[in-house]
Amino acid sequence: NAGVTQTPKFRILKIGQSMTLQCTQDMNHNYMYWYRQDPGMGLKLIYYSVGAGITDKGEVPNGYNVSRSTTEDFPLRLELAAPSQTSVYFCASSYSGATYEQYFGPGTRLTVT
Amino acid sequence: GDSVTQMEGPVTLSEEAFLTINCTYTATGYPSLFWYVQYPGEGLQLLLKATKADDKGSNKGFEATYRKETTSFHLEKGSVQVSDSAVYFCALSDNQGGKLIFGQGTELSVKP
Repeated sequence: NAGVTQTPKFRILKIGQSMTLQCTQDMNHNYMYWYRQDPGMGLKLIYYSVGAGITDKGEVPNGYNVSRSTTEDFPLRLELAAPSQTSVYFCASSYSGATYEQYFGPGTRLTVT
Repeated sequence: GDSVTQMEGPVTLSEEAFLTINCTYTATGYPSLFWYVQYPGEGLQLLLKATKADDKGSNKGFEATYRKETTSFHLEKGSVQVSDSAVYFCALSDNQGGKLIFGQGTELSVKP
């Protein structure tokens, strides 16, 4: 059981470039989440999904897009990268909603210069 | 909207000292409350949780009690170890899609 895996671990982007952060879970969880963590701050929710084909915005969705075509995968797309998107990105999954533990991936450290 | 406030760090303690990290929340409804821990270079992992008022969550010697009257969920441990050095996050789940709202995190450093 690999849990939640994320690729890449690190990435440097130039302003205006695009990229996709990959997230895969092998626990057959319905719920998946993308968070960003800025230095000295807690995590903020970007997008989430309660099942394949269903996605919804979180607190800070601007500049990002997601899709959920399978239960396992939940990629995060950055279009037209900006320095404000420099952050550490975490993907998480859970069996269900509110009372259930979320399992986090190891994170992707993204720098936009 | 819902929010979580934690005591600011860093907190530096000697081994075997008593630990308290304060956490208070603002929420409409009845959220579930969590403490997550992040070790250096890793993702977050659940430390403990409580899903209703007066519940006590516990794990690895850490405890926290869900206090609705004071809207608090303070983390305590009676005797910390060097291996407890990490960043601790208090969070609530808003019962809508299980979205977590995090406090800013408290860095704990335990010295031998």
